[in-house]
Amino acid sequence: NAGVTQTPKFQVLKTGQSMTLQCAQDMNHEYMSWYRQDPGMGLRLIHYSVGAGITDQGEVPNGYNVSRSTTEDFPLRLLSAAPSQTSVYFCASRHPGRGTDTQYFGPGTRLTVL
Amino acid sequence: DAKTTQPNSMESNEEEPVHLPCNHSTISGTDYIHWYRQLPSQGPEYVIHGLTSNVNNRMASLAIAEDRKSSTLILHRATLRDAAVYYCILRDGTNFGNEKLTFGTGTRLTIIP
Repeated sequence: NAGVTQTPKFQVLKTGQSMTLQCAQDMNHEYMSWYRQDPGMGLRLIHYSVGAGITDQGEVPNGYNVSRSTTEDFPLRLLSAAPSQTSVYFCASRHPGRGTDTQYFGPGTRLTVL
Repeated sequence: DAKTTQPNSMESNEEEPVHLPCNHSTISGTDYIHWYRQLPSQGPEYVIHGLTSNVNNRMASLAIAEDRKSSTLILHRATLRDAAVYYCILRDGTNFGNEKLTFGTGTRLTIIP
């Protein structure tokens, strides 16, 4: 299994541009989520999905959109990039479980907004 | 979600055991204790988890205090590849739909050759 894959690895945007960060998993996990990590900080949840067609907001959703049309893919869209969105973005997936489930993370996308 | 408290940083010599502490004084009876680590320039990876009893796996051991208000991740023989940020996280065992993992700032472990 490839696990959780993310593309691109690096991206530079200008303020106001839009783009989509791709995330895919081949483990047939129902749950997928997006986190951002700013320098020296822990991870913060942006959006998550509990299955195809179902998404919900995390703690920092503003400026981002998501959709989940298939179990495998969970893209994150930046609508109009701002310098405050400069960060490393991690996608993650897991099977649902009552506290015992483990989360698998992708390698991350490093985004710089100028 | 209950909070966890970890030291910001720790150092250890290579090939020696490392004990990484975590305090979670407000833990509930159904919270599982999870540990993840994040190697430089990588996404976090699962290390170990437990509820009440001590746990061992190929990566580490988890020692849980009898009152469950603290736990310790034990790396039995640290190598340079164990240098990472280690996160202690609580997961609600009664909440089937709880997606959010609350990552604090973790403990940055430095291994001295």
